[in-house]
Amino acid sequence: SQELEQSPQSLIVQEGKNLTINCTSSKTLYGLYWYKQKYGEGLIFLMMLQKGGEEKSHEKITAKLDEKKQQSSLHITASQPSHAGIYLCGAEPSGSARQLTFGSGTQLTVLP
Amino acid sequence: EAGVAQSPRYKIIEKRQSVAFWCNPISGHATLYWYQQILGQGPKLLIQFQNNGVVDDSQLPKDRFSAERLKGVDSTLKIQPAKLEDSAVYLCASSLAPYNQPQHFGDGTRLSIL
Repeated sequence: SQELEQSPQSLIVQEGKNLTINCTSSKTLYGLYWYKQKYGEGLIFLMMLQKGGEEKSHEKITAKLDEKKQQSSLHITASQPSHAGIYLCGAEPSGSARQLTFGSGTQLTVLP
Repeated sequence: EAGVAQSPRYKIIEKRQSVAFWCNPISGHATLYWYQQILGQGPKLLIQFQNNGVVDDSQLPKDRFSAERLKGVDSTLKIQPAKLEDSAVYLCASSLAPYNQPQHFGDGTRLSIL
């Protein structure tokens, strides 16, 4: 079955600092999705990556998928308190079973 | 565009009781998903519908969980009877297609079993 590991499990940064969250798969992926979740709320879609080496940005958040399509990183530049929450990666494995498997999430706290 | 609607937001029941959750997906989204999210973990897929047909229910505990999506729009998820380990957030999501499309999530129902 699909194994998906996120690191770190939690992260505390000072406002204005840059940070990176990683997501590693045990298998080659068809697609990789990044979501953000605030406590008591649903998941908010951030970005979808499908091609090896692909990089996408939205505002101060950049996500990359490596060439082998087994590792992704999410980078936040000049973090703000509004970036706080739980970041989850979801992997869509290659092959016939295309259901998303999620990592356990990275809890991000941004101190003002 | 209206998002995925779920109700109720919170539910507290005793073990062995039954409970039902309702989901209304984004208009035009053919694919609907139910996930279970236990505290500190990522969501786990319970069942996936394509229109009103089941695509995947391999992780649904069928002895106590059931779900339906009549008319290919709204969906209900039922637990009967509930166990203590069913305490979790139940999330509904929808997407335009079963793959190559992002899933959009509702705010979930937080279920507590006493």
